[in-house]
Amino acid sequence: GAVVSQHPSWVICKSGTSVKIECRSLDFQATTMFWYRQFPKQSLMLMATSNEGSKATYEQGVEKDKFLINHASLTLSTLTVTSAHPEDSSFYICSASPSGVHEQFFGPGTRLTVL
Amino acid sequence: EDQVTQSPEALRLQEGESSSLNCSYTVSGLRGLFWYRQDPGKGPEFLFTLYSAGEEKEKERLKATLTKKESFLHITAPKPEDSATYLCAVQAVGSQGNLIFGKGTKLSVKP
Repeated sequence: GAVVSQHPSWVICKSGTSVKIECRSLDFQATTMFWYRQFPKQSLMLMATSNEGSKATYEQGVEKDKFLINHASLTLSTLTVTSAHPEDSSFYICSASPSGVHEQFFGPGTRLTVL
Repeated sequence: EDQVTQSPEALRLQEGESSSLNCSYTVSGLRGLFWYRQDPGKGPEFLFTLYSAGEEKEKERLKATLTKKESFLHITAPKPEDSATYLCAVQAVGSQGNLIFGKGTKLSVKP
């Protein structure tokens, strides 16, 4: 149980284009989902907390107009990287927790490369 | 400021050579401390949750312990398939549930 999926697993795009990443909880409902970014040989850095039916909460230094988060249902959150640039190239990972559970379960991650 | 520090950054062991990984933390109020395993190019895989000092959890060759200031992940008689990066994270009381991660310990087990 507690399986989280992400799509796509990798994406290559041109500078200036937008990319959408989906995060789904497959066997549980998640009121809250989290989006992290991980650069090579670095740990996970929280970007934003996504709440179903309300606006996301962004960490300091993360541009909310550049990283658009939509948590439309209890099983789906999306992250859209708008006008992507090479410096946005990274490994993006989402996580979610079943209701009443403190543990977070992570998706497999999405490797974004911006040319 | 809530903070997590892991040591060592990298650890090389021979198969069967037991050792421990350290996670030191400072947090305003600890809701839980979590251990994850991450393989290259993949998302973290949940291992353990510890809630209070003195608590211990075991899973196969891994055992996690917790004090008021740090946690240890003990690896007994490791195998090459235990090679991975082990991440420690804390969750603070009053937070939205987000995790604060350490930088991880990269473990390599040679046959």
